[in-house]
Amino acid sequence: DIQMTQSPSTLSASVGDRVTITCRASQSISGWLAWYQQKPGKAPKLLIYKTSSLESGVPSRFSGSGSGTEFTLTISCLQPDDFATYYCQQYSSYSEYSFGRGTKLEIK
Amino acid sequence: EVQLVESGGGLVQPGGSLRLSCGASGFTFTDYWMSWIRQAPGKGLEWVANIKQDGSEKYYVDSVKGRFTISRDNAENSLYLQMNSLSPGDTAMYYCARDRPDYGDTSDYWGQGALVTVSS
Repeated sequence: DIQMTQSPSTLSASVGDRVTITCRASQSISGWLAWYQQKPGKAPKLLIYKTSSLESGVPSRFSGSGSGTEFTLTISCLQPDDFATYYCQQYSSYSEYSFGRGTKLEIK
Repeated sequence: EVQLVESGGGLVQPGGSLRLSCGASGFTFTDYWMSWIRQAPGKGLEWVANIKQDGSEKYYVDSVKGRFTISRDNAENSLYLQMNSLSPGDTAMYYCARDRPDYGDTSDYWGQGALVTVSS
């Protein structure tokens, strides 16, 4: 099984800050990495797919990077609407998708 | 407009069964892998199962293998999850999701979820 280790679990930041969330896979996932945003009581929303491709309609302040087993989500200038929980997901094999444990982004 | 609407959730006793349904509209259902993902109260996301466009391939997370069955009816644009031998650990919001082929089959649209509570 491919394990996804996401850090930090909680992140406190202010509007306007630049923040980075990291996800590490237990083995190479060939770039098949997505990032989701989830707000309380809502379904997750896709932000980034294939490591760095921005989903349509997602603001350009969100970006993804990485390769091999190390991946990052960066939000360049935090907006009030960005405070939420973020998850990474690897989808390198149809038989075993998996998510990181999530990062809760809180207002400092 | 893409829509995914789950139904069939509810309260069930341990050892019981439940069948979730997901009605799809606004896209060509037969073009997409489909997935079920769950989220226990206050916890993170867990991928549960997925199914190929024609139903010929199905995969499950280890914790539900032998108990859950994913299926689809392409004529009805519907996805299903038959859940047997339920335990309190299966209590969660269950989401159906569409897997986008040109993204490598990650989930781009999700339903609003169906809540399954396993309790005596």
